[in-house]
Amino acid sequence: DGGITQSPKYLFRKEGQNVTLSCEQNLNHDAMYWYRQDPGQGLRLIYYSQIVNDFQKGDIAEGYSVSREKKESFPLTVTSAQKNPTAFYLCASSIDKGRGQFFGPGTRLTVL
Amino acid sequence: RKEVEQDPGPFNVPEGATVAFNCTYSNSASQSFFWYRQDCRKEPKLLMSVYSSGNEDGRFTAQLNRASQYISLLIRDSKLSDSATYLCVVRYNDYKLSFGAGTTVTVRA
Repeated sequence: DGGITQSPKYLFRKEGQNVTLSCEQNLNHDAMYWYRQDPGQGLRLIYYSQIVNDFQKGDIAEGYSVSREKKESFPLTVTSAQKNPTAFYLCASSIDKGRGQFFGPGTRLTVL
Repeated sequence: RKEVEQDPGPFNVPEGATVAFNCTYSNSASQSFFWYRQDCRKEPKLLMSVYSSGNEDGRFTAQLNRASQYISLLIRDSKLSDSATYLCVVRYNDYKLSFGAGTTVTVRA
């Protein structure tokens, strides 16, 4: 079955540690995205990538980094510079800009 | 001002009732519009796109009013399984989407 997978589902880290969240898709979509969701707020865009080896900052990129070495994969690293990293992180992909985006199941990151 | 604003609700309705809610968007250059559904602690799922002429998908009807910059969603004959948070989503620039914070609907037996 085609879809988007994210791992792990839950992640706990100590303050000051970098952590990498995985996102893989087998939908053959060119565009991929990372969002974070906080209670009572809409999803906010962290980074997006329209094609392999290219990515752009979203609205809240500070403290995050990404890579897009393969079409299928778009990992997100939450660095120790991110001031408030505890959140629900969602990865998405889309076939083109006119259509909606499809989301993975998300990773809940808790920084202790 | 937020790019997409929604009444958070909750809208509590009995099974079989009709429920409708709107969202407003600030950027008049917005190009594409969507409604997503999000269940508690799950990922958003695309419910339907919203077209200029309005469109239906089963019990769901979406309308777009470009002049007043709002989108609406109407759910007829509500089912218990319709209980969820509905996200209004707008695209105004390339591949980027703006998400509302969501409207919560609770359908009671």
